[in-house]
Amino acid sequence: EAGVAQSPRYKIIEKRQSVAFWCNPISGHATLYWYQQILGQGPKLLIQFQNNGVVDDSQLPKDRFSAERLKGVDSTLKIQPAKLEDSAVYLCASSLARGRTDTQYFGPGTRLTVL
Amino acid sequence: GNSVTQMEGPVTLSEEAFLTINCTYTATGYPSLFWYVQYPGEGLQLLLKATKADDKGSNKGFEATYRKETTSFHLEKGSVQVSDSAVYFCALSPPNNDMRFGAGTRLTVKP
Repeated sequence: EAGVAQSPRYKIIEKRQSVAFWCNPISGHATLYWYQQILGQGPKLLIQFQNNGVVDDSQLPKDRFSAERLKGVDSTLKIQPAKLEDSAVYLCASSLARGRTDTQYFGPGTRLTVL
Repeated sequence: GNSVTQMEGPVTLSEEAFLTINCTYTATGYPSLFWYVQYPGEGLQLLLKATKADDKGSNKGFEATYRKETTSFHLEKGSVQVSDSAVYFCALSPPNNDMRFGAGTRLTVKP
């Protein structure tokens, strides 16, 4: 079974530029998550989708971050404009459903450096 | 609110030593508890999980028991190997699956 795919793996941009990350979840997984992992910290949930609808985006900085999951499969996360503090690894995860017992499977992440 | 506190690292052990990484949690309701591992240059992988009180999760020689009375989920392994060197994250998942992670504990095992 293929895992969660993410691209690109690395991205370097200057502040105020825009950037987009792509995620393809495990086939059949209804729930998709984006996390931000700052160096030395645990992942922090940014947004959670159930199929193509947003169920939790309370921790997403909506003035600069946006995400979509068209057709309930792939997802993109965008930052516009980027700030220095956005430097982090952005992780995508998916699970069969959104119950508390459902295991989340993580992709390899995209390491973003903002200069 | 929901949160996880885990033992600060880094932890350095010799091969075949006993490992304990402490994890305590605060939660409303009845969460599931997880340990994830992150090897150098890789994404997070599920190591083990427990979904209710007194459950024991185990995998690859690692174990953790869901202790509701002490709100803990400590990770243990009887004999660590060099290949266990990684960062370990404790996490909880409340009913809405808004997973909360600890800050991670870096383990280095020396031959």
